[in-house]
Amino acid sequence: AQSVTQLDSQVPVFEEAPVELRCNYSSSVSVYLFWYVQYPNQGLQLLLKYLSGSTLVKGINGFEAEFNKSQTSFHLRKPSVHISDTAEYFCAVSASGGSYIPTFGRGTSLIVHP
Amino acid sequence: SAVISQKPSRDICQRGTSLTIQCQVDSQVTMMFWYRQQPGQSLTLIATANQGSEATYESGFVIDKFPISRPNLTFSTLTVSNMSPEDSSIYLCSVEGLLGGSDEQYFGPGTRLTVT
Repeated sequence: AQSVTQLDSQVPVFEEAPVELRCNYSSSVSVYLFWYVQYPNQGLQLLLKYLSGSTLVKGINGFEAEFNKSQTSFHLRKPSVHISDTAEYFCAVSASGGSYIPTFGRGTSLIVHP
Repeated sequence: SAVISQKPSRDICQRGTSLTIQCQVDSQVTMMFWYRQQPGQSLTLIATANQGSEATYESGFVIDKFPISRPNLTFSTLTVSNMSPEDSSIYLCSVEGLLGGSDEQYFGPGTRLTVT
């Protein structure tokens, strides 16, 4: 089984500042890794995913994440955030080679202040 | 991509009653799932909705409490039965495996349920 830990429940940041949302996972098998975003009153939207290959993954809206196998981490970063990035961000992991049914972290609320 | 709609978007229900949530996808998909998102918690998979057969439930979830139907490749329902305040959550429909498309997982907007 897999598990995900999102260390920060809330991350406040000022507009145009850089941000990093942390995600660590646990698994006894190879994994796929995902970041989803949930805007208020909306469903989850896939930001980016790591399946294989390059450990640096670029997603939508200027976000990127780096898979670090030795540290079992998949932190999400953006060099300059906007007010519109205010949302809930979920890290998720699934066992590779099968269905993508993921196990989700508890989420990190990114709050961007003007 | 897939466009998923859920009805109702939100509801307030009395304990002891039941609510059926509908999920409609604009494309045929191989897999449909139901998740629960409790306040301050991560998403938890309730079950996989199987077309033409009984749903596959995750540990801690049973058919009597959460009966699921999936009559075709684009539609599913989840019923929350004999509700209690502990059932207050957001319920999310999710799909995977668009026929002729990607295996990416897509989520609906959710149904916000409050049980009083």
